[in-house]
Order: sequence, then structure tokens, then C-alpha cells
Amino acid sequence: QSVLTQPPSASGTPGQRVTISCSGSSSNIGSNYVYWYQQLPGTAPKLLIYRNYQRPSGVPDRFSGSDSGTSASLAISGLRSEDEADYYCVAWDDNLSAYVFGTGTKVTVL
Amino acid sequence: EVQLVESGGGFVRPGGSLTLSCGVSGLTFSNAWMSWVRQAPGKGLEWVGRIKSRSVGGTTEYAAPVKGRFTISRDDSKNTVYLQMNTLKSEDTAVYYCTTITGYWGHGTLVTVSS
Repeated sequence: QSVLTQPPSASGTPGQRVTISCSGSSSNIGSNYVYWYQQLPGTAPKLLIYRNYQRPSGVPDRFSGSDSGTSASLAISGLRSEDEADYYCVAWDDNLSAYVFGTGTKVTVL
Repeated sequence: EVQLVESGGGFVRPGGSLTLSCGVSGLTFSNAWMSWVRQAPGKGLEWVGRIKSRSVGGTTEYAAPVKGRFTISRDDSKNTVYLQMNTLKSEDTAVYYCTTITGYWGHGTLVTVSS
């Protein structure tokens, strides 16, 4: 049972900007770091954003993260065909003493 | 280069047991807090549990669906983390990933529970 809520899908044309939301609560996003992952079919998740908005080396600056209160967002600017994938947010939940993943968002490039 | 390599997946009958291993290289394993995450076919990611480093007690935490059935342990001398799964159910069928959550993941190992 996912505690973090994401839209099931998002789409855009090449070059457009897409934003994915991740809605949580004070016990998870409101008090702990959020991480964002990209998962291509049949592969392991790849880290895109850590500690809310930090980008690992090698991740294009087209990907950016932000947070506000009990929600977080991942933005993909300059959308490219290779961005078609599933995206997940994750954060530690203090009440559950567990990591909680978002429900996942499938991004389609039209 | 950091590598996490899972092994031990396979087919098991309901009620059976299986132990997964994850060998880690390229990072200071003894300081790493290690998690297991699973993904059922066609579904999203689900955190299974984690083990902290021994320097902070090596304690474990588990998700509600597996608590009491799964046990995570570590052997710092072998740079390996384990997931012992008992009383397996069909709903435990998934690809199981070893991960630090903060960035490093293995490629996963498939566990199929079926009669």
C-alpha cells in the first residue's frame, strides 16, 4: 500500500516540460528527504534526484526536483523520447518506520 | 565502480523458504545501510526492509506485509547482505532488489511463489 501519491501518467511532446507530483504527509515528505527514480522496462531503478533536489553526476540538468511542505515534484524539461519510463518518489516515513514509495508515474513522449 | 549483485532467486512452493544474497563492492559496506525492495510483475516498487550499519547497532526494520516472515542480516566480512524469506505466499512473487535507497541498486533477482 503506497503512502505517497503520484499521478498514474503524464505525457508531453518532445521539447516540452513535464512535472510529476508526489503527495505525502508530515511524517514522510514533510520531515525527510525525497528521492526520485527513473525505471526503464526490465531494468533496475536509476537515481535521478536525491535529498529533494540534488542531482547525481551524469544526470542531465533537464531533471530537477523540488519540495513544498508535504509534497515534492520532479520536472523534466526539454522532454526527449528516451525519457519514456516509469518514475517513482520515495521517502522515509517516521510513523511507519519504513520507506514509502510513490504509486509511480508513467511518462509518455507523444 | 559500485556493484550490487543479487543471487538466490528461484521457484518455491507456498509456505516454503528462500534466502537471497547481495554481494556489494566499490563502497565501504560496513558503513552502508542496506535495504531490500521488491517489484511484483507489472506493479510498482515496494520497500521490504533494511538493516543499519553495525556502528549504529545493525538493527532492522520491516514493511508490515513481511514482518515476522522475512529476516535481513549482514556479514560485513563478506560485504554481503541477506534476505531470509519464510512462509512464502504467492503475493511475495516479485523481483527483489538490493539497494542503498540513496542511489545504488542491484539488477534484481526473481522470486516466484506458486503451487
